[in-house]
Amino acid sequence: EAQVTQNPRYLITVTGKKLTVTCSQNMNHEYMSWYRQDPGLGLRQIYYSMNVEVTDKGDVPEGYKVSRKEKRNFPLILESPSPNQTSLYFCASSPQPNREKLFFGSGTQLSVL
Amino acid sequence: QKEVEQNSGPLSVPEGAIASLNCTYSDRVSQSFFWYRQYSGKSPELIMSIYSNGDKEDGRFTAQLNKASQYVSLLIRDSQPSDSATYLCAVIQGGGSYIPTFGRGTSLIVHP
Repeated sequence: EAQVTQNPRYLITVTGKKLTVTCSQNMNHEYMSWYRQDPGLGLRQIYYSMNVEVTDKGDVPEGYKVSRKEKRNFPLILESPSPNQTSLYFCASSPQPNREKLFFGSGTQLSVL
Repeated sequence: QKEVEQNSGPLSVPEGAIASLNCTYSDRVSQSFFWYRQYSGKSPELIMSIYSNGDKEDGRFTAQLNKASQYVSLLIRDSQPSDSATYLCAVIQGGGSYIPTFGRGTSLIVHP
């Protein structure tokens, strides 16, 4: 089954404790991205990647890191989480984002205390 | 800054009515337009895509695009309670961008 898999689904952590949210897709998509969604603010892009070893900042990259060492995986790293990073995070992939739909993961609800 | 604007709502319509959702965008050379539906706590799912001026119909859904007015809309005919969700407009801006920019979404409530 074609899918984007995100883990974990829920995560509660404390300020400053490094964490990684994993994202994997099995559709051989070149484009992958991370979004955060906050009430009243919609989906805002954090980082995206057009291919292996190619990443670029989105609209809200501060406090986040990503890597794209393999085509299927695109982890999101928070090196020192802060409470303002409490949010719902989505990973997405697409074969061609300007003409094809985005396939979204099921989301990760992160709470930073 | 390139922007995609949507009325946050909620838009409330009775069952069986037509729901009209609107989206405006700032970049005149935007090229691709998408409507996603998102149920509470779930991930967005694509409903419609439209690339050229005019109407595009798919079942109960019609997307309308007017590039001169920088306006894209989604009509839902015979609205059902199951259509109650947040509808996100996404736009591929111009300048060689391949990255969709999302509006903040419109909450739709269809009451029986």
